[in-house]
Amino acid sequence: AQKVTQAQTEISVVEKEDVTLDCVYETRDTTYYLFWYKQPPSGELVFLIRRNSFDEQNEISGRYSWNFQKSTSSFNFTITASQVVDSAVYFCALSELGTGFQKLVFGTGTRLLVSP
Amino acid sequence: SQTIHQWPATLVQPVGSPLSLECTVEGTSNPNLYWYRQAAGRGLQLLFYSVGIGQISSEVPQNLSASRPQDRQFILSSKKLLLSDSGFYLCAWSQGGADYGYTFGSGTRLTVV
Repeated sequence: AQKVTQAQTEISVVEKEDVTLDCVYETRDTTYYLFWYKQPPSGELVFLIRRNSFDEQNEISGRYSWNFQKSTSSFNFTITASQVVDSAVYFCALSELGTGFQKLVFGTGTRLLVSP
Repeated sequence: SQTIHQWPATLVQPVGSPLSLECTVEGTSNPNLYWYRQAAGRGLQLLFYSVGIGQISSEVPQNLSASRPQDRQFILSSKKLLLSDSGFYLCAWSQGGADYGYTFGSGTRLTVV
């Protein structure tokens, strides 16, 4: 069965520090997609990135970067020079191509607290 | 563009009372629809999903039910709420295909007292 593990329950950093959120996944499928979502205090989940299983290129978007390594089944998320507005719960998720519909399996989330 | 609406935003209900949460999607047709629950300090648990009108799949046994009376309407219900039903409920939609992820509504915070 699919599984997503976010071992870090909560991380606290001081503004301007770099921080990496870990995500490890399990799947038997050769084709799958990985996602990161941000949940700010307001509660709504905000999509950050998706990556398909055939694209192992790392991606950078401003202060955000993602490191996808199939060899270790990891899809880690790094925030460079963190800011207070980055404080949120971050979820990693795994999807698979299946029977005509899509289900995402989420990790338990990592709460990031960035203090001034 | 597509939008998803979810209401109410917050709800306080007594134990034993009924529940009805509504979610509607605009700007698309035949979406896949989902209800998730997030208990306090916990991850996201998929409760129900629907691939079409009247088609509901339940992921976990519980005190809740779901219905899809129209293509872009998804309703979460309960006849009698339990304390354990408290949580943050999120509706989401996706178009067929695994590469787009989900778009989530703004959520309903339910407190059963």
